[in-house]
Amino acid sequence: DAKTTQPTSMDCAEGRAANLPCNHSTISGNEYVYWYRQIHSQGPQYIIHGLKNNETNEMASLIITEDRKSSTLILPHATLRDTAVYYCIVRARDNYGQNFVFGPGTRLSVLP
Amino acid sequence: KAGVTQTPRYLIKTRGQQVTLSCSPISGHRSVSWYQQTPGQGLQFLFEYFSETQRNKGNFPGRFSGRQFSNSRSEMNVSTLELGDSALYLCASSPGREQETQYFGPGTRLLVL
Repeated sequence: DAKTTQPTSMDCAEGRAANLPCNHSTISGNEYVYWYRQIHSQGPQYIIHGLKNNETNEMASLIITEDRKSSTLILPHATLRDTAVYYCIVRARDNYGQNFVFGPGTRLSVLP
Repeated sequence: KAGVTQTPRYLIKTRGQQVTLSCSPISGHRSVSWYQQTPGQGLQFLFEYFSETQRNKGNFPGRFSGRQFSNSRSEMNVSTLELGDSALYLCASSPGREQETQYFGPGTRLLVL
């Protein structure tokens, strides 16, 4: 079973920030938080990952709470092309026996 | 670097046949994972190969098998196809070292009639 819970769907106005929450209350100390997204019928696209510090790259920012039980993916200026299913996954580093477990994700609709 | 490539992109088979799908990982990546995606079950892990050895396996019947070659390219095979095998089959590669971010290919869409 997936170790994360996410809202089923969210809407965001084009140009506004999209804030996608993820709950991972049972996360272990060596588990990273990964975010992927999947645009319709394409392969999942890696977005960002982090352990405990906030992370930012050219696509998004990842904010992880101090207790690491939840996180938020932020798309600073959402565009129509950001409409996709977003997956939050927790996975241990160096655990070669553990695969990525994808839950149902959050379906983000960016509205014009 | 070129991304993960999968061939063929689309495939139509009939029940009882077998099928082989191919995946070429990102150059330098040694780990290849396979996933099945269906509307009902979502994305499910099939198996992972590293240095030509199966390192991890999901909960799928023995009809699903795979292998990895010395150049890290991988194939998966499904024998005795069933209607329920219709799905998007995704391949992902990762370096196989500590940084385990997986990068996915575009997938092969299989339709079983």
